[in-house]
Amino acid sequence: DAGITQSPRHKVTETGTPVTLRCHQTENHRYMYWYRQDPGHGLRLIHYSYGVKDTDKGEVSDGYSVSRSKTEDFLLTLESATSSQTSVYFCAIGSSGAGANVLTFGAGSRLTVL
Amino acid sequence: SQQGEEDPQALSIQEGENATMNCSYKTSINNLQWYRQNSGRGLVHLILIRSNEREKHSGRLRVTLDTSKKSSSLLITASRAADTASYFCATDGGSQGNLIFGKGTKLSVKP
Repeated sequence: DAGITQSPRHKVTETGTPVTLRCHQTENHRYMYWYRQDPGHGLRLIHYSYGVKDTDKGEVSDGYSVSRSKTEDFLLTLESATSSQTSVYFCAIGSSGAGANVLTFGAGSRLTVL
Repeated sequence: SQQGEEDPQALSIQEGENATMNCSYKTSINNLQWYRQNSGRGLVHLILIRSNEREKHSGRLRVTLDTSKKSSSLLITASRAADTASYFCATDGGSQGNLIFGKGTKLSVKP
């Protein structure tokens, strides 16, 4: 997972509390992504960013917001966590050499909402 | 909605045997990728095959792509216990070319 770190790696919180997950990259890549991984669903895209302050929604964006104020940081916020947001969250950076978007993933952040 | 669907969901083999995993997808693509995920870790890119390619090799990995059937297969030859992991296909069928992942095949290689 060189070049991309997620924090925290584990978090337990209560329903209704705000939670922010951080993704930090040292690769200076333009594209960054947040996915969630759940049994039976595989990986689903939450939000992505194509530059500083440029973000867009993915497949399962409801209940999540993101911010990217610097190239290296991409934050995922759950304004009011719900039990359905218990999941493993992965950040990824995209390198688009030769016209194909290949992703490098972080190690994941396991979130439990009680 | 999921673009790629892997088959089988789980596969258990002995060391030294070959492992074949399949992926089907729904829309037209420019390329298809395979990723591996070891337990408790992030996904790692293995190989990419473009829509105009039919077969690609990388070490013990062989990937085929049949765009007429919208399917791909990943073959791992002479498997090792260290190949135990989940394998995901991903296609660029999402909006803005974003990758859409399948649900994965869980491979167990017994020593």
